[in-house]
Amino acid sequence: GQQVMQIPQYQHVQEGEDFTTYCNSSTTLSNIQWYKQRPGGHPVFLIQLVKSGEVKKQKRLTFQFGEAKKNSSLHITATQTTDVGTYFCAGNPSFLDSNYQLIWGAGTKLIIKP
Amino acid sequence: NAGVMQNPRHLVRRRGQEARLRCSPMKGHSHVYWYRQLPEEGLKFMVYLQKENIIDESGMPKERFSAEFPKEGPSILRIQQVVRGDSAAYFCASSPIAAQETQYFGPGTRLLVL
Repeated sequence: GQQVMQIPQYQHVQEGEDFTTYCNSSTTLSNIQWYKQRPGGHPVFLIQLVKSGEVKKQKRLTFQFGEAKKNSSLHITATQTTDVGTYFCAGNPSFLDSNYQLIWGAGTKLIIKP
Repeated sequence: NAGVMQNPRHLVRRRGQEARLRCSPMKGHSHVYWYRQLPEEGLKFMVYLQKENIIDESGMPKERFSAEFPKEGPSILRIQQVVRGDSAAYFCASSPIAAQETQYFGPGTRLLVL
């Protein structure tokens, strides 16, 4: 079946260091969404990417959608303690007519070293 | 504009009892999705419903689990004869149109089976 692989599973960084998580889909996606889940919280929508090669920025967060629309990345510059949480990507396979089911990555947990 | 509401937030059941989880989508949203999340794991899609219709239940176990979204009232996820392995966080999300749109998550119900 369709899969979205997300790596790494965990990333430990010192505060101020950068963080990157990557998603790779086994199929072409019509769009990809990114969510953040704080510890003990629920997923919160961050952004949606639709166009091939699209790059979007939200302050220290940079989101990219690959040219082939099969991969995506989230990069955080100079992490802060407020960035702690798990980041999920969720893709919409383009071949599905109804486009109703997002395929979720397993998430990357960002941990700030004390 | 209230967000997605879920209740109860925490639910404790003994093995063999029934668990009933409720979800009220955001106002104007007619699409509801249920997900299960085990500790330290990603989101697992369970079921997608529109008003009075189950659109996709491919992620929901065939036995003991059922879901509904009646014309009036909240969506209900029902787990009969719970077992310890059912202990998890169950999240409901809603969207206005379909999965192409952002999914808005509720706070989740943490189910603990003793």
